[in-house]
Amino acid sequence: EPEVTQTPSHQVTQMGQEVILRCVPISNHLYFYWYRQILGQKVEFLVSFYNNEISEKSEIFDDQFSVERPDGSNFTLKIRSTKLEDSAMYFCASSDVLLGRDDEQFFGPGTRLTVL
Amino acid sequence: DAKTTQPPSMDCAEGRAANLPCNHSTISGNEYVYWYRQIHSQGPQYIIHGLKNNETNEMASLIITEDRKSSTLILPHATLRDTAVYYCIVRVDGNKLVFGAGTILRVKS
Repeated sequence: EPEVTQTPSHQVTQMGQEVILRCVPISNHLYFYWYRQILGQKVEFLVSFYNNEISEKSEIFDDQFSVERPDGSNFTLKIRSTKLEDSAMYFCASSDVLLGRDDEQFFGPGTRLTVL
Repeated sequence: DAKTTQPPSMDCAEGRAANLPCNHSTISGNEYVYWYRQIHSQGPQYIIHGLKNNETNEMASLIITEDRKSSTLILPHATLRDTAVYYCIVRVDGNKLVFGAGTILRVKS
């Protein structure tokens, strides 16, 4: 069964450093998402991406964040200058249609980001 | 955005049916009800969704009331591996999922 994969599974970084989280969505999917979950809190939407551009982003997704689909298979989330409060699990998801048109988002296993 | 209300936690005996309720009294006519679950710290997993009719798949059944103001997710024979946080989500603007706190389901032997 096809699945979303994410690397690395755990990333430790120093405050102020840049990190890139990588995701490989399901191959025929067109819509891509990043969510995050701070330990003990709700899963929060960050950004959605379609046709090589951001289609929606949340208030969390400020100028420190960026997304890119550098090739036909990868989807990345970059945090330019990490802060302590960026420590969280980051989940990538993909779907082949827009939610609400009778389909689902498939989530990856997540990357645990720890900012020291 | 339609909001959902779920009980914070529920217990269920292994092998029994788990019935997880959700209230969504402000749901509008074209909004779907989706259920996801999250086992420990894994990525959320899709379970089922519906608009107005009851739905069943290999994982669960979804019962939506006629006025669509509430629904129930049924796991017919719960196992220990069904212990998870279950999220009832009503589709919001655009294509994002908005997760609430969900219901912690504990399946006990």
